[in-house]
Amino acid sequence: GAVVSQHPSWVICKSGTSVKIECRSLDFQATTMFWYRQFPKQSLMLMATSNEGSKATYEQGVEKDKFLINHASLTLSTLTVTSAHPEDSSFYICSAPRTGRTDTQYFGPGTRLTVL
Amino acid sequence: AQSVTQLDSQVPVFEEAPVELRCNYSSSVSVYLFWYVQYPNQGLQLLLKYLSGSTLVESINGFEAEFNKSQTSFHLRKPSVHISDTAEYFCAVRNSGNTPLVFGKGTRLSVIA
Repeated sequence: GAVVSQHPSWVICKSGTSVKIECRSLDFQATTMFWYRQFPKQSLMLMATSNEGSKATYEQGVEKDKFLINHASLTLSTLTVTSAHPEDSSFYICSAPRTGRTDTQYFGPGTRLTVL
Repeated sequence: AQSVTQLDSQVPVFEEAPVELRCNYSSSVSVYLFWYVQYPNQGLQLLLKYLSGSTLVESINGFEAEFNKSQTSFHLRKPSVHISDTAEYFCAVRNSGNTPLVFGKGTRLSVIA
């Protein structure tokens, strides 16, 4: 079946540093990927839609200069949290619909970011 | 805009008892409906989905959900729960095409021995 991977699975960093999270579709192409954020004991909130070869579209209230998204190929999207602060600590999850088969989205296992 | 309401944030239930997790959605167009399960410290796993056809959909581990268009509901049920069913359950909705999922706030199912 279709698989989406994320790397790293967890990361701890100091305040002010930048962290890059990768999302890969392993056996299918994904022209679109979605990035979600999940705070402890809360639901997933859509942050942005990543589009291969074009700019990402961000949800209201999400700072595009803080959360940089690059969808450089049909199998890879990256989310970079720039100048991370403790309030950015969260669980970041990506998902990808299989191009040509948009009925199902496949979720990555998530990346837990802790900013000290 | 679409929205999903999960009325119960927590549902404790004894082992082998039946359970129903409620989900209502709002949308002005046709939608796809999903239930995802998240075990502690793990990612989301698709439990079951309704795309079209039969309004009753089933998962391989005994859960089922019924799409009710008139009541805009997609409640999840299981006739007999196990300890291993303890997890967070999320109801989600989306339109067709490359559109993102909109999630409910989740229901924590706790199965008690």
